[in-house]
Amino acid sequence: EIVLTQSPGTLSLSPGERATLSCRASQSVSSSYLAWYQQKAGQAPRLLIYGASSRATGIPDRFSGSGSGTDFTLTISRLEPEDFAIYFCQLYGNAQYTFGQGTKLEIK
Amino acid sequence: QVQLVQSGAEVKKPGASVKVSCKASGYTFTGYHIHWVRQAPGQGLEWMGWIIPNSGGTNYAQKFQGRVTMTRDTSTSTVYMELSRLRSDDTAVYYCARGLSIMGTTMFDYWGQGTLVTVSS
Repeated sequence: EIVLTQSPGTLSLSPGERATLSCRASQSVSSSYLAWYQQKAGQAPRLLIYGASSRATGIPDRFSGSGSGTDFTLTISRLEPEDFAIYFCQLYGNAQYTFGQGTKLEIK
Repeated sequence: QVQLVQSGAEVKKPGASVKVSCKASGYTFTGYHIHWVRQAPGQGLEWMGWIIPNSGGTNYAQKFQGRVTMTRDTSTSTVYMELSRLRSDDTAVYYCARGLSIMGTTMFDYWGQGTLVTVSS
C-alpha cells in the first residue's frame, strides 16, 4: 500500500504570502493519479487539482500543482483570507484511494 | 446544479448497524460512481469504497470488507451505505462523493454535506 505523507503538518502564513505544501508518496506513482482537496471547518472537501497539475472547474489560478514520481507540491501564489483551511492530497491506485494526513494552513 | 444530499446524524450503540443515504440530483445518476469517505473527529479522510449506480457493482476498501454494504435505488437516485458491527472508532462524519473519471483516474468532484455517526454505549 502506498502511503502519502504531507508536510508541514501546520503552515503559518499571512495573507498575500506564498504557500508551498508538500505531498510525498512512499513509492513512485503516476502524476495522473494525484489530486488535491481543500477542506474548511465544518465543510466537505473541495476538489482543487487533479492529475497533479490540472485545476478543477472554478478554482482560481493562484492555486497550482506540480510534481512527479514521489514528490508533489501544491502552491498558492498569493494567499487570500478564504484560503486558510486544511489541504489533503489523494492518490488513486489499484482501484483504491489513499489520502495524506493533511496540512493545516493557518493565519500567522 | 449537482447536489448530493445525505441523511441526518445518527447515534448508535456498539455492535449495531447504521445506514446512511445520499440522494443525487442535477446530473445523470447512472453516469458516475458514488464513493464513500469518512473522517473521524479531528482526523484525515479515509476512503471506504464505491458503487456503480448503473449496475450496482461495488468495490470496498479492504479494511471495511465484510462490514460495509453499498446499495442503490435508481428510481430515487439514492445510494446507501450500511456499516455493521459498529465500534466506537467508527464515530466519524461519513461523506458520499461523486467520482469523476478523467485521464484514467478518478477524483471526487462533488460531495455530500456529511453525516455524523456517533457510536456510544
